Amino acid sequence: KQEVTQIPAALSVPEGENLVLNCSFTDSAIYNLQWFRQDPGKGLTSLLLIQSSQREQTSGRLNASLDKSSGRSTLYIAASQPGDSATYLCAVDTGGFKTIFGAGTRLFVKA
Amino acid sequence: DTGVSQDPRHKITKRGQNVTFRCDPISEHNRLYWYRQTLGQGPEFLTYFQNEAQLEKSRLLSDRFSAERPKGSFSTLEIQRTEQGDSAMYLCASSFGGARYEQYFGPGTRLTVT
Repeated sequence: KQEVTQIPAALSVPEGENLVLNCSFTDSAIYNLQWFRQDPGKGLTSLLLIQSSQREQTSGRLNASLDKSSGRSTLYIAASQPGDSATYLCAVDTGGFKTIFGAGTRLFVKA
Repeated sequence: DTGVSQDPRHKITKRGQNVTFRCDPISEHNRLYWYRQTLGQGPEFLTYFQNEAQLEKSRLLSDRFSAERPKGSFSTLEIQRTEQGDSAMYLCASSFGGARYEQYFGPGTRLTVT
């Protein structure tokens, strides 16, 4: 059974700091891994998708990596801003139509 | 392209009542997903449609829950005889088929059962 874990559960950093969010999964047989952002009381916004054959994806200040063999992904945020404050979720597509989410990391960037 | 829309955005109902939620996916997307999210947790998969066919259902989807996607367009999620434990955010997402396509989420419907 696929399980997804995100560490840390919460993180507070000063503005301008570079930071790394972690996501681990128990079964390496995945189709893709997707990172999302969720603002309080809102739906999810897709940030990056990494296919199982890829090692990383970049979008602006965001870089996501994937190591299937070790069951790990990281989301790197460069030069953090107060507007980056949100919950960040990772999700794995197991290929059986199900997508399994982690519980998320709540990020607070202090001005 | 207006994105994924959900209606209503908020629903307050009394225990035992039936409720129905609607999801309108991005028009070109053939895949549609329903999730449930409770406070402090990630979304939990409920069910999945490819076009009009419901191909996967979670065991979380008890007999009181039913979902449809007539004609492969919009979808409805109905909860019968609501219970307080059904209080949650219900999220809908859509995508193209294939591993390289992202899921796009709607704003969600917040259900409160009193």
